[in-house]
Amino acid sequence: QVQLQESGTRLVKPSETVSLTCTVSGGSVSSSIYYWGWIRQPPGKGLEWIGSIYNSGTTYYNPSLKSRVTVSLDTSKSQFSLRLTSVTAADTAVYFCARHTVIGPVFYGTDVWGQGITVTVSS
Amino acid sequence: EIVLTQSPGTLSLSPGERATLSCRASQSVSSNHLAWYQQKRGQAPRLLIYGASSRATGIPDRFTSSGSGTDFTLSISRLEPEDFAVYFCQHYDSSLTFGGGTKVEIK
Repeated sequence: QVQLQESGTRLVKPSETVSLTCTVSGGSVSSSIYYWGWIRQPPGKGLEWIGSIYNSGTTYYNPSLKSRVTVSLDTSKSQFSLRLTSVTAADTAVYFCARHTVIGPVFYGTDVWGQGITVTVSS
Repeated sequence: EIVLTQSPGTLSLSPGERATLSCRASQSVSSNHLAWYQQKRGQAPRLLIYGASSRATGIPDRFTSSGSGTDFTLSISRLEPEDFAVYFCQHYDSSLTFGGGTKVEIK
């Protein structure tokens, strides 16, 4: 059974960079039917997709965050990572890493989620 | 960019009642690219429905979904105590978009 676990910066000052890593266990990050992504949820609010990466290295980003986001994949370590630069208080949120499954024309959903890591931006 | 609007924002119902949640897209989307999630307080979301109408593994059959084009509906036939939660719809293409959520609360 595939499991995802987030790790990284939990407290960061405004204007600094958040760096998070998601470690994938129990499965391969190299399968072509999966892609890997980050989703966040500010306190008391809804879900916001940040960005995703395929095993080919192709990335897709939320247009509203694109200038500040980098998602990368390290298949040798079964990890993928998020860098979010120039953070403000508005970036305070629970950050989830997740697996999305796509087979042919069908999106099988974001079917595996990490437990989430709380990132607080504060001076 | 597709915008998903969920309604109502909050649904107050009693256990055993039927819940009907709506997700409306700002433009027509493929049913193959629409999913629903349940999220309980302090937990990650859980996939309920993919392909607009297919239940994910382990999801009870009291959860059903339908729709096409711009209008999609998630129904819970008889609310169990564990069903009181927040529900999100999601659309997939080169971006992923979530609706704002519907909270199903105990009346």
